[in-house]
Amino acid sequence: SQQGEEDPQALSIQEGENATMNCSYKTSINNLQWYRQNSGRGLVHLILIRSNEREKHSGRLRVTLDTSKKSSSLLITASRAADTASYFCATDPTRLTFGEGTQLTVNP
Amino acid sequence: DAGITQSPRHKVTETGTPVTLRCHQTENHRYMYWYRQDPGHGLRLIHYSYGVKDTDKGEVSDGYSVSRSKTEDFLLTLESATSSQTSVYFCAISARDSLNTEAFFGQGTRLTVV
Repeated sequence: SQQGEEDPQALSIQEGENATMNCSYKTSINNLQWYRQNSGRGLVHLILIRSNEREKHSGRLRVTLDTSKKSSSLLITASRAADTASYFCATDPTRLTFGEGTQLTVNP
Repeated sequence: DAGITQSPRHKVTETGTPVTLRCHQTENHRYMYWYRQDPGHGLRLIHYSYGVKDTDKGEVSDGYSVSRSKTEDFLLTLESATSSQTSVYFCAISARDSLNTEAFFGQGTRLTVV
């Protein structure tokens, strides 16, 4: 399975701090996607990084991809309470499977 | 927001009864997915479809069947509901063409089997 696995399982930080979460996967990929889920809601797409890219930015989000280590990281800078959510990565665009996610809590 | 609607949004049903959940899209996307999510866990793929009448199993397909007779509708049926199928069910759609690979999710259906 190409399913990505996120870590840590949970992360608690203060507003203004940066949050970093990681995704590891097992087989070669074409692209990797990050999604956010607010409590009780459907997932929302955040950013996609292709296998030939090493870094990508979108607003306060920075995603890196290391295909040699089969891993990706999502950095949220200057976090806000509204960033409190679960974050998931997806590596198989056909089956679109997810790991258990990282639960981020940003304390005011 | 992408045009994706799940119905019903909430349902309580009795053990042993069949239940059908509907996912309707207005985006003409090729791919549609059904997931279940249990408290404190991620989404687990039940079934997905890559076109009309084209479906495949996901990670947790036992006890579930699907049908896609039209591009816009993807139905999930619990053939004989059990308490272990109490969960929140999410539908997702994706174009998965060269330009658009992101998936859009519905608001979820909370199913309780008593």
